[in-house]
Amino acid sequence: DGGITQSPKYLFRKEGQNVTLSCEQNLNHDAMYWYRQDPGQGLRLIYYSQIVNDFQKGDIAEGYSVSREKKESFPLTVTSAQKNPTAFYLCASSIRGRADEQYFGPGTRLTVT
Amino acid sequence: GENVEQHPSTLSVQEGDSAVIKCTYSDSASNYFPWYKQELGKRPQLIIDIRSNVGEKKDQRIAVTLNKTAKHFSLHITETQPEDSAVYFCAASIYAGKSTFGDGTTLTVKP
Repeated sequence: DGGITQSPKYLFRKEGQNVTLSCEQNLNHDAMYWYRQDPGQGLRLIYYSQIVNDFQKGDIAEGYSVSREKKESFPLTVTSAQKNPTAFYLCASSIRGRADEQYFGPGTRLTVT
Repeated sequence: GENVEQHPSTLSVQEGDSAVIKCTYSDSASNYFPWYKQELGKRPQLIIDIRSNVGEKKDQRIAVTLNKTAKHFSLHITETQPEDSAVYFCAASIYAGKSTFGDGTTLTVKP
């Protein structure tokens, strides 16, 4: 399961707390993504980054924030402003430029109570 | 923006039968169409993909067809096996960073 990693696998937080999910890749990919997956639904794009120090909002960015200070790392912060944060979060990476295969991490299941 | 619809949402077949999953997309600029397989609790993994300059692609028991005019593409799995049971996602992409996924199809292959 090398290539792209996420930690932790399971995360529990109290409502009102911010929480940061880790995503690291050693594939030398420029592009990285964060998706949210809810039961019975597909993957919805939260944020993506095509190069260091640059990122764009996806379809459901409200209540989330990201940073891209290093090529290898793309952490996602779930803020207290996110109304329904409990979900399975997937990070992915790909080559930059044309659309191509995305390599996914193992995911982090976040539960907020 | 792009809209991808995937059907059916669930599919049950007998081992050895074929399975077909269909997706439609709305943006004619989309040029890359991957299919991912996700087993329970695991990460999605690419099983096959097709680009807009190709109409069909095959890899052993798996094939994908693309109809650009109608804006739909399909996944075909022949001689299904129990280990094919999983959730399958289609996606449509214009460029790296802008992929839209379908809602997924849960395939169950009965022994």
